Amino acid sequence: DVKVTQSSRYLVKRTGEKVFLECVQDMDHENMFWYRQDPGLGLRLIYFSYDVKMKEKGDIPEGYSVSREKKERFSLILESASTNQTSMYLCASIFMGGQGFGESPLHFGNGTRLTVT
Amino acid sequence: GQNIDQPTEMTATEGAIVQINCTYQTSGFNGLFWYQQHAGEAPTFLSYNVLDGLEEKGRFSSFLSRSKGYSYLLLKELQMKDSASYLCAVRDRTGGYNKLIFGAGTRLAVHP
Repeated sequence: DVKVTQSSRYLVKRTGEKVFLECVQDMDHENMFWYRQDPGLGLRLIYFSYDVKMKEKGDIPEGYSVSREKKERFSLILESASTNQTSMYLCASIFMGGQGFGESPLHFGNGTRLTVT
Repeated sequence: GQNIDQPTEMTATEGAIVQINCTYQTSGFNGLFWYQQHAGEAPTFLSYNVLDGLEEKGRFSSFLSRSKGYSYLLLKELQMKDSASYLCAVRDRTGGYNKLIFGAGTRLAVHP
């Protein structure tokens, strides 16, 4: 079974702090994603990466950055946390073969619930 | 742009059948997924459609019409454990990269 592990289940940070959310997957997947999930808005894509050191902006990248130094690890960084970044953050990974994913689904981590006070 | 619409909430009775609809607009459609998410847990994969028609997996079926930008998830013989949110997600290839765009989810409550 694919395992996607997020380092923290719950996190409380202060406004202005630099925050790192870590995600590790054990299946050698090329593609990794960071989403945030808010009531009524569903999952929104922040950033994704299709290879080591590669990154692409999703739909809501403002206020975030990412790092992919190793294939198995994808980090989400909040340079200066703000209260509107209080949310559930979900990391996901997928194998990409050929031109697309085929029917390979995303595999999600258990999420990190971040509260910024 | 991209837009995915699904009802916010639905209720149903144990043993019954329920259909959750999803409509989407996207320029680079490359497949549609349904996920189930229980409260406080990560989403888990239910089904995948890329061609028109019905895909059946046990009690769950999913239908796709690409020309109408429409899909539904059909849950039969409902059980209490089916109470969860159901997320419709479209794989979009605009810009050359595959990414999964999610709807806001439909919260299903199954009653005895």
